Amino acid sequence: KQEVTQIPAALSVPEGENLVLNCSFTDSAIYNLQWFRQDPGKGLTSLLLIQSSQREQTSGRLNASLDKSSGRSTLYIAASQPGDSATYLCAGGVISNFGNEKLTFGTGTRLTIIP
Amino acid sequence: DVKVTQSSRYLVKRTGEKVFLECVQDMDHENMFWYRQDPGLGLRLIYFSYDVKMKEKGDIPEGYSVSREKKERFSLILESASTNQTSMYLCASSLRGWENSPLHFGNGTRLTVT
Repeated sequence: KQEVTQIPAALSVPEGENLVLNCSFTDSAIYNLQWFRQDPGKGLTSLLLIQSSQREQTSGRLNASLDKSSGRSTLYIAASQPGDSATYLCAGGVISNFGNEKLTFGTGTRLTIIP
Repeated sequence: DVKVTQSSRYLVKRTGEKVFLECVQDMDHENMFWYRQDPGLGLRLIYFSYDVKMKEKGDIPEGYSVSREKKERFSLILESASTNQTSMYLCASSLRGWENSPLHFGNGTRLTVT
């Protein structure tokens, strides 16, 4: 069974700094890894998706990497801004025993950017 | 842009009531999902569906059922609401063969059962 871990649970960083969020997963037969952002009281917004054949994906100031052999993914945020404050969740996709696609979520890292 | 719409943002129900949570997506996605989100436990999959009239149990289906009569609509039913079902409920959708198709979420329904 896929398990996804995000450490730390919370992180505070001064505005302008670069930062890295971590995500670990147990099943290396992962077929994609997704990063989401969640603002308080809202649903999740998809940020980046890395397919199993890829090593990284970039969107603006965000860069996500995937290392299947070590069971790790990172989300790099460059030049952080107060508007980046949110909870960031990662999710690993696998194919279940019944051939269904299934996504398992970490519990998230709550990021606060200090102005 | 994909839109996933959940019919209610906030809902308060009494113990024992039958509760319907509705979700509609407008992008012809085959896959639809219901999750609940609780502090410290993260998102847990309740039920999912890969096609009309299809449903599969997720990790925590007890106390819930679902209905998918039309491709765009996926309903979550609490047959007899209990206080331990107080939670944030999130609906999501994606294309089939979703290695390259991200999950799109609605804004959630915060359900309180008293």
